[in-house]
Amino acid sequence: EPEVTQTPSHQVTQMGQEVILRCVPISNHLYFYWYRQILGQKVEFLVSFYNNEISEKSEIFDDQFSVERPDGSNFTLKIRSTKLEDSAMYFCASSFSPGTSGKDNEQFFGPGTRLTVL
Amino acid sequence: AQRVTQPEKLLSVFKGAPVELKCNYSYSGSPELFWYVQYSRQRLQLLLRHISRESIKGFTADLNKGETSFHLKKPFAQEEDSAMYYCALTGGSYIPTFGRGTSLIVHP
Repeated sequence: EPEVTQTPSHQVTQMGQEVILRCVPISNHLYFYWYRQILGQKVEFLVSFYNNEISEKSEIFDDQFSVERPDGSNFTLKIRSTKLEDSAMYFCASSFSPGTSGKDNEQFFGPGTRLTVL
Repeated sequence: AQRVTQPEKLLSVFKGAPVELKCNYSYSGSPELFWYVQYSRQRLQLLLRHISRESIKGFTADLNKGETSFHLKKPFAQEEDSAMYYCALTGGSYIPTFGRGTSLIVHP
């Protein structure tokens, strides 16, 4: 069964450094998402992406963040000048379509990347 | 604004006991409610959605608009049900708002 994959599984970085988190969505999916979960807190939506554009973003997703689909398979989240509070699990997800009805819009999640900012 | 509240961080039961994981929501329109599950060392996955009115792995959840609740229930818990459970809501957007999760531990 196809799955969303994410690399690396754990990333440790120094405060102020840039990191790039990578995701390979399910191949026939068209909508891609990033979520964040700070330890002990809820899963929070960051951004959704469709047709090479951001379709929605939350207030968390400020200028420090950017997303890109550099080729036909990868979907990346770049965090510039990382801060201590960026330490979290970052989940990528993909779906065939958006919306909330029907099977095609189910979001499939990757295993997450644990980002630790020192 | 939409909000999802899961009042219990941890729920501990014995195998065979009934389980109810609570979820309350706040949303002014007509929400769609979901339960996601994350088993140990596995990824977050959709368990069920209220519009499907389905029972998955013995779990059911009924949307109660009067009480703004969407509690997840199972009459007889199994050890393999031990996991983190997240309630989520979508309102006008298809982007889910998650609760903080409840850790269910089922003891043998």
